[in-house]
Amino acid sequence: NAGVTQTPKFQVLKTGQSMTLQCAQDMNHEYMSWYRQDPGMGLRLIHYSVGAGITDQGEVPNGYNVSRSTTEDFPLRLLSAAPSQTSVYFCASSYWDGGTDTQYFGPGTRLTVL
Amino acid sequence: TQLLEQSPQFLSIQEGENLTVYCNSSSVFSSLQWYRQEPGEGPVLLVTVVTGGEVKKLKRLTFQFGDARKDSSLHITAAQPGDTGLYLCAGVNYGGSQGNLIFGKGTKLSVKP
Repeated sequence: NAGVTQTPKFQVLKTGQSMTLQCAQDMNHEYMSWYRQDPGMGLRLIHYSVGAGITDQGEVPNGYNVSRSTTEDFPLRLLSAAPSQTSVYFCASSYWDGGTDTQYFGPGTRLTVL
Repeated sequence: TQLLEQSPQFLSIQEGENLTVYCNSSSVFSSLQWYRQEPGEGPVLLVTVVTGGEVKKLKRLTFQFGDARKDSSLHITAAQPGDTGLYLCAGVNYGGSQGNLIFGKGTKLSVKP
């Protein structure tokens, strides 16, 4: 199993450009989520999905869109990049064992918006 | 808004020393998780504590969940350079079948040989 994969690993954008961060998992997990990590801020939830066709907003959703057409893929779209979106983005997937859930994180995408 | 406060924010110690990292909140959580993150990588789950007062041990790491399920601690005995990394606690609330994580800001640990 590859686990959770993210592409690209690094990206530089100009203000106003759009792009899609890709995330895929091969563990058949229903739950997937996107976080951003900024220095001194910890990890903050952007959007999450509890299954194909179902998405919801997290703590910091503005400026980002998501969709979940398959169990495996959960792309994150930046519609019009802003310097405030410079961050490291992590995708995660998890399964529920009836008591707790175990989250698996991808390696991250480092995004710089100029 | 639920918050998790981690302390200390930074910790630099010599190999062989003991240390404790704290994770505190005014809110009650269903469970609490501890992650370790190395530079350039995503967080990796170390442990989940579920029951108030629960203590879990993972080799030299001891995790404790407060009786009221509002706080937790991570104690490392005889730290080694391989323990260097960012330690994150995350509170979990189960609104349905799965929960969203609320992360603390992390404790950056450096263990010098």
